[in-house]
Amino acid sequence: DGGITQSPKYLFRKEGQNVTLSCEQNLNHDAMYWYRQDPGQGLRLIYYSQIVNDFQKGDIAEGYSVSREKKESFPLTVTSAQKNPTAFYLCASFGDGVVDDTEAFFGQGTRLTVV
Amino acid sequence: GQSLEQPSEVTAVEGAIVQINCTYQTSGFYGLSWYQQHDGGAPTFLSYNALDGLEETGRFSSFLSRSDSYGYLLLQELQMKDSASYFCAVRDGNFNKFYFGSGTKLNVKP
Repeated sequence: DGGITQSPKYLFRKEGQNVTLSCEQNLNHDAMYWYRQDPGQGLRLIYYSQIVNDFQKGDIAEGYSVSREKKESFPLTVTSAQKNPTAFYLCASFGDGVVDDTEAFFGQGTRLTVV
Repeated sequence: GQSLEQPSEVTAVEGAIVQINCTYQTSGFYGLSWYQQHDGGAPTFLSYNALDGLEETGRFSSFLSRSDSYGYLLLQELQMKDSASYFCAVRDGNFNKFYFGSGTKLNVKP
């Protein structure tokens, strides 16, 4: 089955530590996005990528980094510079067709907690 | 910039009809989408409107008025499983970004 997979589901980070969240898709989508969701809040855009080897900052990119070396993969690194990283992180991909580029497919999310 | 406004919370009873409104402001507007998210889960796609008018999909319908920068999601014959958060989203065509509203928490009561 085609889909988008995030791992791990739960992640604990110590102060000052970098952690990387995985996002893989087998939908053959060019566009991939990372969102952050805080409790009771909406989704805020961290980074997005329209094509391999290219990505753009979203509205809250500070303290985060990404790479897009393969079409299928768009990992997110939460660096020690992100002062309040505890949140629910969602990865999404969008298709390229006339219809496909309107529906986002989301992974199941990674819940990151600072300990 | 972009902004989307929707009510924070709505409560209704089983079997009733509820409407969740969304007003938006964005450049290069392509269309308005709606997503459902249950607690702890991932958002799932419900509907998309690119043109003015009403789109119906089973118990759910979505409406768009481009001239008013306004849309709504209509849920009919409410069921307990419809208790969730509902997000409207717009695609900024100029920048290929998707923006989401802050979400409306729908509470369905017996």
